[in-house]
Amino acid sequence: EPEVTQTPSHQVTQMGQEVILRCVPISNHLYFYWYRQILGQKVEFLVSFYNNEISEKSEIFDDQFSVERPDGSNFTLKIRSTKLEDSAMYFCASRVSGGRQETQYFGPGTRLLVL
Amino acid sequence: GDSVTQMEGPVTLSEEAFLTINCTYTATGYPSLFWYVQYPGEGLQLLLKATKADDKGSNKGFEATYRKETTSFHLEKGSVQVSDSAVYFCALSEIKAAGNKLTFGGGTRVLVKP
Repeated sequence: EPEVTQTPSHQVTQMGQEVILRCVPISNHLYFYWYRQILGQKVEFLVSFYNNEISEKSEIFDDQFSVERPDGSNFTLKIRSTKLEDSAMYFCASRVSGGRQETQYFGPGTRLLVL
Repeated sequence: GDSVTQMEGPVTLSEEAFLTINCTYTATGYPSLFWYVQYPGEGLQLLLKATKADDKGSNKGFEATYRKETTSFHLEKGSVQVSDSAVYFCALSEIKAAGNKLTFGGGTRVLVKP
């Protein structure tokens, strides 16, 4: 069964460093998402991406964040200058279309620790 | 804005007990409703969904019915197993021109003891 994959599974970085989290969505999917889950808290929406542009973003997704689909398979989240509060589990998700019936499929997540 | 409220855990049960996790929502439109499950050390997996009022989603012995009149989507299982120990998230998605993002509840940790 096709699945969303994410790399790396864990990343430790120093405050102020740039990080890039990578995702490979399911191949025929057209909508892509990033969410994050700070330890012990709810899963929060960051950004959605369709047709090579951001379709919606949350207030969390400020100028320090960016997303890109550099080729036909990868979908990346970049944090330009990490802060301590960026420490979280980051989930990528994808869905095939925008219809009511369609499900978002999640990757296993990247655990980011900012020191 | 949209929001999802679900009962706080942890919920501790014995094997074969009945499980209910309450979930209520507020939404500006007519959302689709989901239950996702997160097993220890893993990502989010779709457990079941319902896209219109009175629909019942079911999977692996779990059920939830979309109740528009009470804005609820409570999760139930008649006889839990140790392997059902996980965190369960209720979520909604509104169909809009942009994004169809998921809005999650806070999650309910369930621990099933043998």
